[in-house]
Amino acid sequence: AQTVTQSQPEMSVQEAETVTLSCTYDTSESNYYLFWYKQPPSRQMILVIRQEAYKQQNATENRFSVNFQKAAKSFSLKISDSQLGDTAMYFCAFTPETSYDKVIFGPGTSLSVIP
Amino acid sequence: KAGVTQTPRYLIKTRGQQVTLSCSPISGHRSVSWYQQTPGQGLQFLFEYFSETQRNKGNFPGRFSGRQFSNSRSEMNVSTLELGDSALYLCASSLVGPRTDTQYFGPGTRLTVL
Repeated sequence: AQTVTQSQPEMSVQEAETVTLSCTYDTSESNYYLFWYKQPPSRQMILVIRQEAYKQQNATENRFSVNFQKAAKSFSLKISDSQLGDTAMYFCAFTPETSYDKVIFGPGTSLSVIP
Repeated sequence: KAGVTQTPRYLIKTRGQQVTLSCSPISGHRSVSWYQQTPGQGLQFLFEYFSETQRNKGNFPGRFSGRQFSNSRSEMNVSTLELGDSALYLCASSLVGPRTDTQYFGPGTRLTVL
């Protein structure tokens, strides 16, 4: 079965600090796409960052970066200089190449940024 | 550009009834995906449509169905509602698919089954 695991149901971080959210996934396929989505309280889900499995270089979007370890099937998200607006539910997700556009989500990590 | 819209935003139904939810994607987007979000099961993929064709389907019973129209608008239907169908139903659109394009989500339809 293709699954996504996020082992930290809840996390908190002080404003301006750095936090890392963990994600592991299970697939037998060699190519796939990985994502982090953010769902702020009572607001719409948005894509934070995307990584293609065949690309070695870790993706970066402003204060958000990933640490992609293909052999370990690990895809963690690092948020630098945390801001109050980063408070949200964060979902790790992936799409195996053969499951064309079927996005499988993890259970989510609730992140609170403390002023 | 207008975002993804979903109607209705809230819905209350009773067991055994049928419901239809609607999703209007961002203009120009041809891929529409549907997800069910519950506290217990999290976010689960229902199905994805592209140019009126269902390309993928999640592990849901046949009571859950959908379709996409030529203008890319999509509807999903749930027949013979069960209490466990109470959930937030999210629709998302992208240009050609969520793998390679940014997927934009709507605000969701909150369905309560009594």
